[in-house]
Amino acid sequence: GAVVSQHPSRVICKSGTSVKIECRSLDFQATTMFWYRQFPKQSLMLMATSNEGSKATYEQGVEKDKFLINHASLTLSTLTVTSAHPEDSSFYICSAKVGIPGVNYGYTFGSGTRLTVV
Amino acid sequence: QQPVQSPQAVILREGEDAVINCSSSKALYSVHWYRQKHGEAPVFLMILLKGGEQKGHEKISASFNEKKQQSSLYLTASQLSYSGTYFCGTRGSGAGSYQLTFGKGTKLSVIP
Repeated sequence: GAVVSQHPSRVICKSGTSVKIECRSLDFQATTMFWYRQFPKQSLMLMATSNEGSKATYEQGVEKDKFLINHASLTLSTLTVTSAHPEDSSFYICSAKVGIPGVNYGYTFGSGTRLTVV
Repeated sequence: QQPVQSPQAVILREGEDAVINCSSSKALYSVHWYRQKHGEAPVFLMILLKGGEQKGHEKISASFNEKKQQSSLYLTASQLSYSGTYFCGTRGSGAGSYQLTFGKGTKLSVIP
């Protein structure tokens, strides 16, 4: 099945530094990648949608200059949290759109990245 | 718009059944169900397309009522491994609307 590998699984960084999170599709081409953020005991909130080779589309209230998304290839999408602050601490998850015969599209998730900003 | 899930939480004893509901205020193309355990990413359970179909996965099944814009997830003879938070994700019927919008989740706890 379609697998998305997400790294790192956990990262602790100092306030003011930047952190890059990678999501790779291992056995399929991910033309569209979704990035979510999840705070403790809350739902997954869509941050942005990225399509390979084009600029990401950000959801309302998400700062595009703070959360940089790059989707330069069909197998790699990255999210960089710039000038991180403690309030950016969260669980970040990527999800790729995958074609499923007879069903149209499904979505496969990466394993998530727990970001802690100290 | 975020779909509404109910109940917010439920506690079951092993072997008992549960129903989790998901309703939307907008027309839907599909409903996706996921289970998430603490500290892990969501795991896909099933997709339901418009057409009122019902699907099953072991002792977990689901239905989708397109007209009512509602979906229900049925867990029968629950096992300890069913514990987790269940999310429904809805995809709108608009052209090009590929993103999923998730409900707030239903926390299911199965106890011995």
